[in-house]
Amino acid sequence: EVQLVESGGGLVQPGGSLRLSCAASGFTFSHYWMSWVRQAPGKGLEWVANIKEDGSEKYYVDSVEGRFTISRDNAKNSLYLQMNSLRAEDTAVYYCARGGRIAASWGQGTLVTVSS
Amino acid sequence: EIVLTQSPGTLSLSPGERATLSCRASQSVSSSYLAWYQQKVGQAPRLLIYSAYSRATGIPDRFSGSGSGTDFTLTISRLEPEDFAVYYCQQYGSSRWTFGQGTKVEIK
Repeated sequence: EVQLVESGGGLVQPGGSLRLSCAASGFTFSHYWMSWVRQAPGKGLEWVANIKEDGSEKYYVDSVEGRFTISRDNAKNSLYLQMNSLRAEDTAVYYCARGGRIAASWGQGTLVTVSS
Repeated sequence: EIVLTQSPGTLSLSPGERATLSCRASQSVSSSYLAWYQQKVGQAPRLLIYSAYSRATGIPDRFSGSGSGTDFTLTISRLEPEDFAVYYCQQYGSSRWTFGQGTKVEIK
């Protein structure tokens, strides 16, 4: 069974940083593109970033380009999202998802709150 | 960037009725890269349909997808109580995704 478990969310001040992690199990992690998707409170889904199987290609939504960095460690079956220069509008539940074209499986999400 | 517009915003129906949800793209989308998701309150989204009309594993056959180009449709043939939720369409293009704003299917 595919399992994706996010961690690292919390309360951070504007301008601060946070690193999210996603622990994957139940599939061969190194064979799949992985993605991050977020959902602001009461709002819809927004794709954030994705990364190729070997980490050689990474793509971002314009609003986080230059502030967020997606990465992975295939030896640890883990996906990461380093978030810098956080803004109030980055407040959301962040989901880890398996897939580069569609999100075939999702984690339960981790809440990031950016507030002073 | 391809913009996806879903309609209606809210659909009020009774169990047993048919639901028809629309997703319109601002430019042509490859059918291979159009998906639908269901999200219930407090839960992560779940993949329902991929490649416009293929059901994901474990999805009941009352869910069906259709369409091509710029117009896509998700149909739920007979609503079950567990189908009342928010539905999102999503497209993949140039290594980036966009989602529609969602359609809420609520109990009438």
